[in-house]
Amino acid sequence: AQSVTQLDSQVPVFEEAPVELRCNYSSSVSVYLFWYVQYPNQGLQLLLKYLSGSTLVKGINGFEAEFNKSQTSFHLRKPSVHISDTAEYFCAVSESWAAGGYNKLIFGAGTRLAVHP
Amino acid sequence: DTGVSQDPRHKITKRGQNVTFRCDPISEHNRLYWYRQTLGQGPEFLTYFQNEAQLEKSRLLSDRFSAERPKGSFSTLEIQRTEQGDSAMYLCASSSSGANTEAFFGQGTRLTVV
Repeated sequence: AQSVTQLDSQVPVFEEAPVELRCNYSSSVSVYLFWYVQYPNQGLQLLLKYLSGSTLVKGINGFEAEFNKSQTSFHLRKPSVHISDTAEYFCAVSESWAAGGYNKLIFGAGTRLAVHP
Repeated sequence: DTGVSQDPRHKITKRGQNVTFRCDPISEHNRLYWYRQTLGQGPEFLTYFQNEAQLEKSRLLSDRFSAERPKGSFSTLEIQRTEQGDSAMYLCASSSSGANTEAFFGQGTRLTVV
């Protein structure tokens, strides 16, 4: 079974500062990795995903993440945050099924990013 | 296309009542998922449909919960004899076929059981 640990429940940061949101996962099989963002009273929006290939993945809104297999981590980074980045961020994994598999996602508990002026 | 649509957005019900939620996926998507999200937690997988077939159910889906997707299009999630512990956001997502294609989420239905 897979599990996801988001190491920080809240991350306060000043506007234009860099930020890193940490995610570690546990799995006995190969996985795909995802970061989602959730704004208040909204559904989830995909920021980026790692399926294979380059371990550095770039996503929307200037976010990027790096897959580290040896450390089983998939940390999310942004070099300069904006007020509008204030939201809840979720790391998720799914099993890397063969073609035809479906993406049942296992989510972490989330990290609340609060960007202050 | 307007994305994944869920109805209602909010539902307040008394303990013991039955409630039903509806999800309309993106029209060309044949896969549909239900998740539950409680306050301060990440979403938890409940069940998955491929077309009209329900292919997996989580242990979280007790006997009081039932989900259907009768024609492989919209889906309903019914909770019978609601309990206060059922209070949560219920999220629906859909995706197309293929290995790990992106799942698109609806805005959710927030259920409050009083």
